[in-house]
Amino acid sequence: EIVLTQSPGTLSLSPGETATLSCRASQSVSSSYLAWYQQKPGQAPRLLIYGASSRATGIPDRFSGSGSGTDFTLTISRLEPEDFALYYCQQYGSSPWTFGQGAKVEIK
Amino acid sequence: EVQLLESGGGLVQPGGSLRFSCTVSGFTFSSHAMSCVRQAPGKGPEWVSTISASGGATHYADSVKGRFTISRDNSKNTLYLQMNSLRAEDTAIYYCARGSVTYGFLFDSWGQGTLVTVSS
Repeated sequence: EIVLTQSPGTLSLSPGETATLSCRASQSVSSSYLAWYQQKPGQAPRLLIYGASSRATGIPDRFSGSGSGTDFTLTISRLEPEDFALYYCQQYGSSPWTFGQGAKVEIK
Repeated sequence: EVQLLESGGGLVQPGGSLRFSCTVSGFTFSSHAMSCVRQAPGKGPEWVSTISASGGATHYADSVKGRFTISRDNSKNTLYLQMNSLRAEDTAIYYCARGSVTYGFLFDSWGQGTLVTVSS
């Protein structure tokens, strides 16, 4: 099983700043099958990024993903108030399909 | 508009059974793999089970294998998860999630979830 470890656990930032979230895999994620999701309180996760760097439909370009192998990054530029939320990475390259433990971006 | 609507959650005693349903609209159900993903309070999501678009192939997490059965009725646009021998650790919000057309285990749309509580 591929274990995904996200860091930092919590990021305290102000609107307009840039958030950088890390997702490290315990073994290589095949074909960069790595996704990022956003979750707000009381809501389901929402797909942001797939294939490590491709934005899902309707996702603003201030969200970007990068990385390969075992190290991946989600960058949120120019934080908007609605971006303060929980973020999860997920690998869909090998069974079982696993998620990270999550990272919270909170308002400073 | 893509919509996924879950039902069937509730309170059940350990060892009991529950059937989770997810009815969809706004897309061609029979073209997508469908999955159940759960999230325990304060935890990250956990993949539970996936069924292929035709229903011919199923996959389960080890934690539910032999206890849960996923199925679908493409004529009714509905996904089912039969949950038997429930344990306290199965307590979670259960979501149905649509697999993308290209990658069945990439979840591109989710329902709002239904809470399953296993407790005596």
